Amino acid sequence: DVKVTQSSRYLVKRTGEKVFLECVQDMDHENMFWYRQDPGLGLRLIYFSYDVKMKEKGDIPEGYSVSREKKERFSLILESASTNQTSMYLCASSDTRGQGYEQYFGPGTRLTVT
Amino acid sequence: RKEVEQDPGPFNVPEGATVAFNCTYSNSASQSFFWYRQDCRKEPKLLMSVYSSGNEDGRFTAQLNRASQYISLLIRDSKLSDSATYLCVVGRRALTFGSGTRLQVQP
Repeated sequence: DVKVTQSSRYLVKRTGEKVFLECVQDMDHENMFWYRQDPGLGLRLIYFSYDVKMKEKGDIPEGYSVSREKKERFSLILESASTNQTSMYLCASSDTRGQGYEQYFGPGTRLTVT
Repeated sequence: RKEVEQDPGPFNVPEGATVAFNCTYSNSASQSFFWYRQDCRKEPKLLMSVYSSGNEDGRFTAQLNRASQYISLLIRDSKLSDSATYLCVVGRRALTFGSGTRLQVQP
């Protein structure tokens, strides 16, 4: 079974703080993704990575950065947290070797910025 | 126009009913098609892949029409446990998620 874990289920931070969200997958997947999910807006792609040290911007990268130093780990960084970054953050991974690119999600981190 | 469009619902149906969800997508280069299920305050989970030939998994049947850029999901004999939000998902290596259709199965 694919397992994707995220460092925290719930997080409360203050405006202006630097925030690190960690994601680890144990299935040797090449691809990893960070999304945020807000009511009425669905899942929106922030950043993704197809390989170690590689990153690509998604649809809403502003205010975020990422790091992928090891294949199994993909970190999302909020450089200076703002209240409009209060959201559910979901990490996912997928494999290039199969037929499709189905993604497997971690349990999510519900971040509140006050 | 959204890349993946779904009727947000909610669909309120009695137990045992058959319910159908539809989805349209705009990117004709899409190669991967899925339905995901998301329970309240949980992560999305893969329900099934969708192929041009159609596929069935128990009470669930999914169809893809590439010419019309249309995907469907049929749930037969609805159970209370089917209550969730169903996400239509389309893409290549990066996927685009629809906003979801909420299903509430009533006893």
